[in-house]
Amino acid sequence: DSGVTQTPKHLITATGQRVTLRCSPRSGDLSVYWYQQSLDQGLQFLIQYYNGEERAKGNILERFSAQQFPDLHSELNLSSLELGDSALYFCASSPGQSDETQYFGPGTRLLVL
Amino acid sequence: GQNIDQPTEMTATEGAIVQINCTYQTSGFNGLFWYQQHAGEAPTFLSYNVLDGLEEKGRFSSFLSRSKGYSYLLLKELQMKDSASYLCAVRDRGNTDKLIFGTGTRLQVFP
Repeated sequence: DSGVTQTPKHLITATGQRVTLRCSPRSGDLSVYWYQQSLDQGLQFLIQYYNGEERAKGNILERFSAQQFPDLHSELNLSSLELGDSALYFCASSPGQSDETQYFGPGTRLLVL
Repeated sequence: GQNIDQPTEMTATEGAIVQINCTYQTSGFNGLFWYQQHAGEAPTFLSYNVLDGLEEKGRFSSFLSRSKGYSYLLLKELQMKDSASYLCAVRDRGNTDKLIFGTGTRLQVFP
């Protein structure tokens, strides 16, 4: 158990819908990272927040957005969902901005029908 | 550009040794990580190299050569539970230090 929690574990929804994925980092960690992992694909970095502020952006679609709240938990919002958005979404956390190991949560498996 | 290459699949026998290679090209380098990921589960941290040489951690060792853009993960005394994907990831200093992951090497250990 890495100490990073994510909810929900599974999510099934329809195309065009909007969902919110939630992540709580390890105690004391200020950075939260979001990744997408499609079937047989590598982990794709989406976005990083550090202490409430966006720090780095990866290949995140405009239909996706995220935020980090004062209690350091983070939410990833996915809207106008398409079939291709079906994937595992992982959250990771680390103590600082960049130079530490990232520890991953158990992931949310999203299925868009 | 950014590119990380790993073999897609490898097989090995229980009790044997296996070496998983990773080559990378990034705009900047600030460390290389190896993660283990069982199917449908979270990646778990195995090792970190930022300087050239070998880092040993029990049955697992990781090697880095920065001049060659090359790393390997060595797994000794293989066990059935080592069947998993092994992800190589490079921290790209030229790209806000974000982690760039390879697609992973799926290792199957047979009895």
